[in-house]
Amino acid sequence: GAVVSQHPSWVICKSGTSVKIECRSLDFQATTMFWYRQFPKQSLMLMATSNEGSKATYEQGVEKDKFLINHASLTLSTLTVTSAHPEDSSFYICSAKPGQGYNEQFFGPGTRLTVL
Amino acid sequence: SQKIEQNSEALNIQEGKTATLTCNYTNYSPAYLQWYRQDPGRGPVFLLLIRENEKEKRKERLKVTFDTTLKQSLFHITASQPADSATYLCALDPTGGFKTIFGAGTRLFVKA
Repeated sequence: GAVVSQHPSWVICKSGTSVKIECRSLDFQATTMFWYRQFPKQSLMLMATSNEGSKATYEQGVEKDKFLINHASLTLSTLTVTSAHPEDSSFYICSAKPGQGYNEQFFGPGTRLTVL
Repeated sequence: SQKIEQNSEALNIQEGKTATLTCNYTNYSPAYLQWYRQDPGRGPVFLLLIRENEKEKRKERLKVTFDTTLKQSLFHITASQPADSATYLCALDPTGGFKTIFGAGTRLFVKA
């Protein structure tokens, strides 16, 4: 149980275009999902916390107008990178907590974004 | 400042030996501490969680210790196998906090 999927697993796009990444909890409902980015050999950096039915909470330094997060249902959160630039190229990973009683997070497999 | 530190150097050990990874933290009072495994190009996978009032936790070949006085957690893999080769992340949830803070991870290589 507690499986999280992400789609796409990788994407290559041109500079200036927008890219949407989906994160789904497959066998549980997640009122809260998290979005991270990770650069090679570096730690996971929390970008934002996504709450179902309300606005996401962004970490300091993360542009909310650039990284749009929508938590449309208890099983789906999306991250849209708007007007992507090469510096946005990174590994984006989502995670979710099943709810009360769970302290650990269940991660998706990640999405590799390359902006040309 | 708040820090969570893992040995950035890779750990190379021989198959069958015990691997020990270290996680140190400063200026946090974590309610619990977690360990995750991450393979290249993949998302992390949860392994173990240990609470502040627990000294040790075991799961199969894995053992985690938590010393709140030393502000340190040790992660052990006994009878290591080449399949254990991965990056291991330490993560903590500060008491009263909501988000999880991750260390940069330690890369483990187990040679056959």
